[in-house]
Amino acid sequence: TQLLEQSPQFLSIQEGENLTVYCNSSSVFSSLQWYRQEPGEGPVLLVTVVTGGEVKKLKRLTFQFGDARKDSSLHITAAQPGDTGLYLCAGAEGGADGLTFGKGTHLIIQP
Amino acid sequence: DVKVTQSSRYLVKRTGEKVFLECVQDMDHENMFWYRQDPGLGLRLIYFSYDVKMKEKGDIPEGYSVSREKKERFSLILESASTNQTSMYLCASSHLVVPEYEQYFGPGTRLTVT
Repeated sequence: TQLLEQSPQFLSIQEGENLTVYCNSSSVFSSLQWYRQEPGEGPVLLVTVVTGGEVKKLKRLTFQFGDARKDSSLHITAAQPGDTGLYLCAGAEGGADGLTFGKGTHLIIQP
Repeated sequence: DVKVTQSSRYLVKRTGEKVFLECVQDMDHENMFWYRQDPGLGLRLIYFSYDVKMKEKGDIPEGYSVSREKKERFSLILESASTNQTSMYLCASSHLVVPEYEQYFGPGTRLTVT
């Protein structure tokens, strides 16, 4: 089983600041997903990246897949309180048994 | 929009009871999954199914069983609930499409075993 390490584990910043969270592995993934989960709810898919070096933008969120497809980053510009949540990355190994999840980054945006 | 529903949002059961958690998806997905989520441990895969009547063990299948009689429905069964099965249970589904394997989750069931 491949492992995904997410950092930081916890992050609390002020509204308007920028931040980056990371998802790293020593293994190669065929694709990588980012999810956001709010307390008491299921994770919601934000984006999937497939190609090494790929960059995708979702409003103020920018996702990047590493060239070697072993790591990914999520950058948030001008964070807002609505961005608060648990951010999970998950990698697909190519089999039918689904995804390997990181333990997540707990993000709090203070108004 | 993909919709995955779970039968209960909150459930309280006693030790030793048999517990059924139901999950239904409306997008004709081939794959369905059951996870549990615990603080500090993240999401852990219990069982998954890639077709009707097919099931595969995940990382932590002990104490659980599953049933998939119809494509849209995947049930998780706790044969004899124990306090260490208190957790958030999440169901997910996906198409069998490479390489994305995008999974869509239900809202979760918070199970407390007393």
